[in-house]
Amino acid sequence: GESVGLHLPTLSVQEGDNSIINCAYSNSASDYFIWYKQESGKGPQFIIDIRSNMDKRQGQRVTVLLNKTVKHLSLQIAATQPGDSAVYFCAEKHPSNTGKLIFGQGTTLQVKP
Amino acid sequence: DTAVSQTPKYLVTQMGNDKSIKCEQNLGHDTMYWYKQDSKKFLKIMFSYNNKELIINETVPNRFSPKSPDKAHLNLHINSLELGDSAVYFCASSHAAYEQYFGPGTRLTVT
Repeated sequence: GESVGLHLPTLSVQEGDNSIINCAYSNSASDYFIWYKQESGKGPQFIIDIRSNMDKRQGQRVTVLLNKTVKHLSLQIAATQPGDSAVYFCAEKHPSNTGKLIFGQGTTLQVKP
Repeated sequence: DTAVSQTPKYLVTQMGNDKSIKCEQNLGHDTMYWYKQDSKKFLKIMFSYNNKELIINETVPNRFSPKSPDKAHLNLHINSLELGDSAVYFCASSHAAYEQYFGPGTRLTVT
């Protein structure tokens, strides 16, 4: 079936530490992946994306790693700040090229001051 | 200068009623979507339109009907509302089939 899963429902980190959020996807034909951040009461906000021809992509304080061999991607947040507290979703673009995104269940990141 | 906007933000209604949620994007995107987010935060696509043409129609009850009057608008009409329809509904848009921009959501509560 279609599923994109996250390994942990909640991740608690100390402010200033690095955070790593993991995600497993099921469709080996998927060629595009996105990480979204959703703050309470708001819509998902794009963080970073990666195509399947890459294994790493860096943004501002964030890095996405893609391991196609084991169908795994991760989001690394450097020097985590209180403003990073949110639910993080990975999403996989369905190979049908209709634009359909398959979302994981989300990981809640809690940043302790 | 909101990119993707939805109205209303909150909608409380009784079972059996018919209601609509409106969505507008000013990004010039050609594709728009409707997602449903349940109480466990799980996001699932319902519909998508590309240039006013229905592209994705997931397994959604016939009571849900999307309407796209033009490329910048995608409305969602729901007939005979049921308790299980209570959720947060998100509109999104994209250029081609990549990065999607989401609206702020409409929290629907059916009593």
